[in-house]
Amino acid sequence: EADIYQTPRYLVIGTGKKITLECSQTMGHDKMYWYQQDPGMELHLIHYSYGVNSTEKGDLSSESTVSRIRTEHFPLTLESARPSHTSQYLCASSELDRDNSPLHFGNGTRLTVT
Amino acid sequence: GEDVEQSLFLSVREGDSSVINCTYTDSSSTYLYWYKQEPGAGLQLLTYIFSNMDMKQDQRLTVLLNKKDKHLSLRIADTQTGDSAIYFCAESKGQNFVFGPGTRLSVLP
Repeated sequence: EADIYQTPRYLVIGTGKKITLECSQTMGHDKMYWYQQDPGMELHLIHYSYGVNSTEKGDLSSESTVSRIRTEHFPLTLESARPSHTSQYLCASSELDRDNSPLHFGNGTRLTVT
Repeated sequence: GEDVEQSLFLSVREGDSSVINCTYTDSSSTYLYWYKQEPGAGLQLLTYIFSNMDMKQDQRLTVLLNKKDKHLSLRIADTQTGDSAIYFCAESKGQNFVFGPGTRLSVLP
């Protein structure tokens, strides 16, 4: 059973605010990911990390930033939220050294910027 | 390029079988996955198949892989209302994952 947690589940915030979406996993996975899921259901990779102090940008350009100071923690930050950031954000993790390691997903954070 | 395609919608009657189809373009993909997403939740891994296999069965789920045509399908036998969800096909090559757009399955009573 996957153990990956995202907080908050829902967030409604005003334009210009700084926000941090939290993601933690207890499986000791090295690789972690952030996906943005738009209303049309498609998943877009925005950030990933191979391990501590590693962060990479994904396929979709994003104004958010991430950090990886601890293996289990991969927070995503928006310095100044805008309505265009309204979306669902999904965090995932996988083992680095196994080719068939699937992605394990958290339950997501649904962000609404007013 | 790496594109995974799926039909966006499927409706079936309760008790019937559902077949969700997926095509992919990267013939070097090593593993292919099916994920289920219920409303308001993340993606849950349902099953996966290694690229050298043709079929995998797990209770009500059957995965068929036609590597020549790069076609993957998920069959759900005796579909129930609890199977209503979005189903994502995904391929992986090494550490990279590519997801399809998802198929929304509606189960009618």
